[in-house]
Amino acid sequence: DSGVTQTPKHLITATGQRVTLRCSPRSGDLSVYWYQQSLDQGLQFLIHYYNGEERAKGNILERFSAQQFPDLHSELNLSSLELGDSALYFCASSPPSGNTEAFFGQGTRLTVV
Amino acid sequence: QKEVEQDPGPLSVPEGAIVSLNCTYSNSAFQYFMWYRQYSRKGPELLMYTYSSGNKEDGRFTAQVDKSSKYISLFIRDSQPSDSATYLCAVIYGQNFVFGPGTRLSVLP
Repeated sequence: DSGVTQTPKHLITATGQRVTLRCSPRSGDLSVYWYQQSLDQGLQFLIHYYNGEERAKGNILERFSAQQFPDLHSELNLSSLELGDSALYFCASSPPSGNTEAFFGQGTRLTVV
Repeated sequence: QKEVEQDPGPLSVPEGAIVSLNCTYSNSAFQYFMWYRQYSRKGPELLMYTYSSGNKEDGRFTAQVDKSSKYISLFIRDSQPSDSATYLCAVIYGQNFVFGPGTRLSVLP
């Protein structure tokens, strides 16, 4: 158990809908990263938050947004969903003492039908 | 050119074999290097990390970094069927983790 919690584990929704994925980082970690992993694809970096502030953006679509709250949990919002958004979405956190390790949650499997 | 590249495999070896997994990176500014293991449909878990050229050993696993060649390797000794997974190399650039696409390994009993 990495200590990073993601909910829900599975999500099935229709095209055009909006969903919210939630991540609770490890206790004491200030950084939260979101990644997308499509079938047989590598981890695609979406966005990084540190202590509530956005630090970096990767290949994140405009239909996607994220935020990190004062209690450090983070949410990834996906809207106007398309079939191609079906993927595993992972959250990772890293300690504040320097980003030398990232600890991953078990992911949310999103299926858009 | 992708920042981090790996042979996607799949790589199949018999139980007990020594496995060599390799990764190349493009930017000499990368400083920290990691190997993650990902079982099917699970979150990646950190195996090893290092920041210097040379070898780092942990049980049956040895990570090797050659900064002059921008080459990272992971060796698995006495491989077990439980080692069957996808292995991702990763580097840290600034505050971001950049992952390779992963190599799928199957260790056959």
